[in-house]
Amino acid sequence: SQKIEQNSEALNIQEGKTATLTCNYTNYSPAYLQWYRQDPGRGPVFLLLIRENEKEKRKERLKVTFDTTLKQSLFHITASQPADSATYLCALEGTGRRALTFGSGTRLQVQP
Amino acid sequence: DTAVSQTPKYLVTQMGNDKSIKCEQNLGHDTMYWYKQDSKKFLKIMFSYNNKELIINETVPNRFSPKSPDKAHLNLHINSLELGDSAVYFCASSLGQGDQPQHFGDGTRLSIL
Repeated sequence: SQKIEQNSEALNIQEGKTATLTCNYTNYSPAYLQWYRQDPGRGPVFLLLIRENEKEKRKERLKVTFDTTLKQSLFHITASQPADSATYLCALEGTGRRALTFGSGTRLQVQP
Repeated sequence: DTAVSQTPKYLVTQMGNDKSIKCEQNLGHDTMYWYKQDSKKFLKIMFSYNNKELIINETVPNRFSPKSPDKAHLNLHINSLELGDSAVYFCASSLGQGDQPQHFGDGTRLSIL
């Protein structure tokens, strides 16, 4: 069956360090993968999209990698700040579907 | 200006009632979605409309009926509410389908007593 797995345990790191979040998938062949941020009581906010032919994408302090062989995407936040504390969701398009399937998200807590 | 707005933000009602949630987007997008986020935080697609045409209808009880009067609006009507319908419902929109980023509203928290 198709699965998208993100670490359900919260990730706690110190301010200034790099946070790395993982998204693994099985039985998908996504042409792209998206990352979203969700704050409590708010809707998800789009951050980055990476396509299958791109190994890496950057936006300011954010970096996403996409390894279609390992079926994994890594999401990095460098020089993390307490304001980066949120839940981060990965999403990809199911085979033959025109809709995103979301992982359950990983909660990041950046300590000052 | 709020890009995707949903009303109401909170909805508390009794089992068996019928309720509606409204969604409007001012981004000029042609595709709109309804998602359900349960207590375990899984965000699941329910419906998707493109140019007022239903294109995705997941395995959702037929008590849930979406309606898109125009490209900027997608409403969700729920009949005979059940305890299991308690969740946060999110509306989203995108410019086209597929790899386009989706813009979400802030959700409607539905609680069934």
